[in-house]
Amino acid sequence: GAVVSQHPSRVICKSGTSVKIECRSLDFQATTMFWYRQFPKQSLMLMATSNEGSKATYEQGVEKDKFLINHASLTLSTLTVTSAHPEDSSFYICSAEGDRNTGELFFGEGSRLTVL
Amino acid sequence: QKEVEQNSGPLSVPEGAIASLNCTYSDRVSQSFFWYRQYSGKSPELIMSIYSNGDKEDGRFTAQLNKASQYVSLLIRDSQPSDSATYLCAVTDTGRRALTFGSGTRLQVQP
Repeated sequence: GAVVSQHPSRVICKSGTSVKIECRSLDFQATTMFWYRQFPKQSLMLMATSNEGSKATYEQGVEKDKFLINHASLTLSTLTVTSAHPEDSSFYICSAEGDRNTGELFFGEGSRLTVL
Repeated sequence: QKEVEQNSGPLSVPEGAIASLNCTYSDRVSQSFFWYRQYSGKSPELIMSIYSNGDKEDGRFTAQLNKASQYVSLLIRDSQPSDSATYLCAVTDTGRRALTFGSGTRLQVQP
């Protein structure tokens, strides 16, 4: 299957700082990537759809000014958590479409964010 | 609101037994269905996909889909301790291209 790489895998930051998470498609071009968030013992919740060359589409309840998404190339999408607070601590996972016809997704390794 | 429902478990089965995982979904027009396995602290990995009614087998795994009942299941034969993980059911959402996930069923295979 397609390879999606996510970095960093773990990050610890102080409250009020910003953190950037990168998601790369290594062996294919991804015009669309999806960012999910997963709290402990909960399922994956879609945060936003990242579209190459255009603005991201955010899910209801997700603050677009807090979670900045940039998809400047066909292989890279970034999520920046701005002014992070402890409640933003979560597991952030990016994914890319493997097959647009079927909806299959390939996931990055995930990034564990801890805000102190 | 479109939903995907799973029993959270844990589902405990002895090694070598068949594990049966179930999922129901609310969106009648969903077309694609997936089972992902997620180990603790890791991201999900695709186990099976199914798109039409009936059974689909891949090694020890069999996915079953019944669109009329809005039901999809995953059977794991000859369960192994390494199968112990959380299994996530995912369904395409006609309103957007991303997948909608269930809350997952935690499977424990006892040696």
